[in-house]
Order: sequence, then structure tokens, then C-alpha cells
Amino acid sequence: NAGVTQTPKFQVLKTGQSMTLQCAQDMNHNSMYWYRQDPGMGLRLIYYSASEGTTDKGEVPNGYNVSRLNKREFSLRLESAAPSQTSVYFCASSERPMGETQYFGPGTRLLVL
Amino acid sequence: EDKVVQSPLSLVVHEGDTVTLNCSYEVTNFRSLLWYKQEKKAPTFLFMLTSSGIEKKSGRLSSILDKKELFSILNITATQTGDSAVYLCAANSNYQLIWGAGTKLIIKP
Repeated sequence: NAGVTQTPKFQVLKTGQSMTLQCAQDMNHNSMYWYRQDPGMGLRLIYYSASEGTTDKGEVPNGYNVSRLNKREFSLRLESAAPSQTSVYFCASSERPMGETQYFGPGTRLLVL
Repeated sequence: EDKVVQSPLSLVVHEGDTVTLNCSYEVTNFRSLLWYKQEKKAPTFLFMLTSSGIEKKSGRLSSILDKKELFSILNITATQTGDSAVYLCAANSNYQLIWGAGTKLIIKP
């Protein structure tokens, strides 16, 4: 039982490059989330998926897209990376739809040059 | 605009001290207040508070919510070096979590 896993752990991109961050959970949770964490700003919600087959924008969706591939997997795509997207990205999941008790993955540290 | 403010931003104490971390919130359609602990990587869940005045306790950690004054506190007694971490609070507003910036707690031996 691995919980929430994320790949890659660290990535360096050049401005304009694209990449996809992968997230998977093995807890049979309904909801999944993508956050970014920047120094002094706390966690900010990028996108979420309340249940399989649905996705919605969070607080800071610009420059990102998501796919809820199945109940286990939720990916985050940066189509054209910008330096402002340098951050640590966390994926999380919750059993109840939009539940408060969220389980987090280990994070992906992204540096955009 | 929904916001959650934590204080202090950072705190350094010695092992054995008691600390109190603060979290104030202003959110629409408030449902609950949550505390998480973040060590090197992923935040881990500590408490969820929904009712005023009812203390939640887990070992040396306890927390309480005041829905009239819109704040919560997290107390840690007899601190240990393993308590060193960033403590995050979040308010559930319309089923989304609004996060504070965190309090960085350092426990010196």
C-alpha cells in the first residue's frame, strides 16, 4: 500500500518546454487534487477531480491542464513552462468527495529556467 | 476574498517548552478547520475541527476552534526535536481547502 505516489521527484525545464506530472493513489479514493507550494504562500489548489470523470479549476489553473485517467491516476500537464511555474507540486487524494482529510504525495520539485 | 493567516511565521524554542500556534480565518461557507504537519516532504493530517470549544487531543498535541472569533490554536506540550516541522492550517470553504502559509517550528535540544 504505497498511498499517493508522484513522478518525477525533480525536474528542470527550459522556458517553453512541456511536461506531465504523474500521480497515482492506491487507496480507492474518490477525489484527487493538484497543489503548488511556494515559499511564504502556503498550498494553492491548481485543479481537482471530485470524482472519476470530472475535473474542475482551483485557485490558480492558468498554464496547466489535467487528466483524470481513471480512479487511480490524475496527471498535471504544463504545455509551455514559464519561470513563474517554478514550485513544488503536490498531488493529494481524499476518500470522500472533496473531503478534508487529504493524503499527500511526496511532491515534485520543478525548476523552470 | 477567502484567507487564512497563521502566526507566528517561525518559532524557535527549546526541548521541553510548550508552544501555541495560531490560525485565523475569513472564509465563506466555513465547514471545518484542519491542521497538518509538514516535515521534509508531504503534509500529514493532524486534526479536523468543526465545533467551537471542543478540544481535540492526540498525545502532546491539542487543538481548539473558536467559530465566533474565527481562529484556532494548536498546542504542543513538552516539545521534542521530532516536533520540528512546518505546521499548516487550512479552512474548508465551499468544499475547497484554503491554506495558511504555515508556521515553521524549530525545537533546539
